[in-house]
Amino acid sequence: DAKTTQPTSMDCAEGRAANLPCNHSTISGNEYVYWYRQIHSQGPQYIIHGLKNNETNEMASLIITEDRKSSTLILPHATLRDTAVYYCMRGMDSNYQLIWGAGTKLIIKP
Amino acid sequence: DGGITQSPKYLFRKEGQNVTLSCEQNLNHDAMYWYRQDPGQGLRLIYYSQIVNDFQKGDIAEGYSVSREKKESFPLTVTSAQKNPTAFYLCASSMTGGFYGYTFGSGTRLTVV
Repeated sequence: DAKTTQPTSMDCAEGRAANLPCNHSTISGNEYVYWYRQIHSQGPQYIIHGLKNNETNEMASLIITEDRKSSTLILPHATLRDTAVYYCMRGMDSNYQLIWGAGTKLIIKP
Repeated sequence: DGGITQSPKYLFRKEGQNVTLSCEQNLNHDAMYWYRQDPGQGLRLIYYSQIVNDFQKGDIAEGYSVSREKKESFPLTVTSAQKNPTAFYLCASSMTGGFYGYTFGSGTRLTVV
């Protein structure tokens, strides 16, 4: 099964760190973990991806457990504009199909 | 600026009609994709194309058709055979094999009236 498991929804206070978990217990050794987000009625936006090591960019950090069975996306200082649905996915670079689940609806509260 | 353009933003179709959704990109990406999204759901792959004049069916290709005559263009036709076409349609493109390089259009919302 190529799917991932995410909580349906989460709340976070504005200015705090938002930590979004993802379970991918059957991930294979050459599959990456990808995160995208979708603001209402827009196209999804790429956030970050990783294979084994933790990754950080200007938007977020990605923490992958040593056994690679789960990961956490961290938005360090959440703003109201971060309210969106966040999708965690797994896939191989040589494959053209990502499996999109229902994602986590993140609501940032003032 | 480089990007991917979908048109129209909103489209209304009478039952029994075929409609074509446009998708154009100027990113020089090799691969292009069409997804369907229903309310509260994730994206489902309809068709994808890795190179010009070649395309593959995704998970829900029935009732849809595509063409890839130019690298920049990947139009999607929703045929009358698609029984439940009302949905949000998203086009995306990427460099060959690069999921981190997915760029999405702003989508077309199709409604059957």
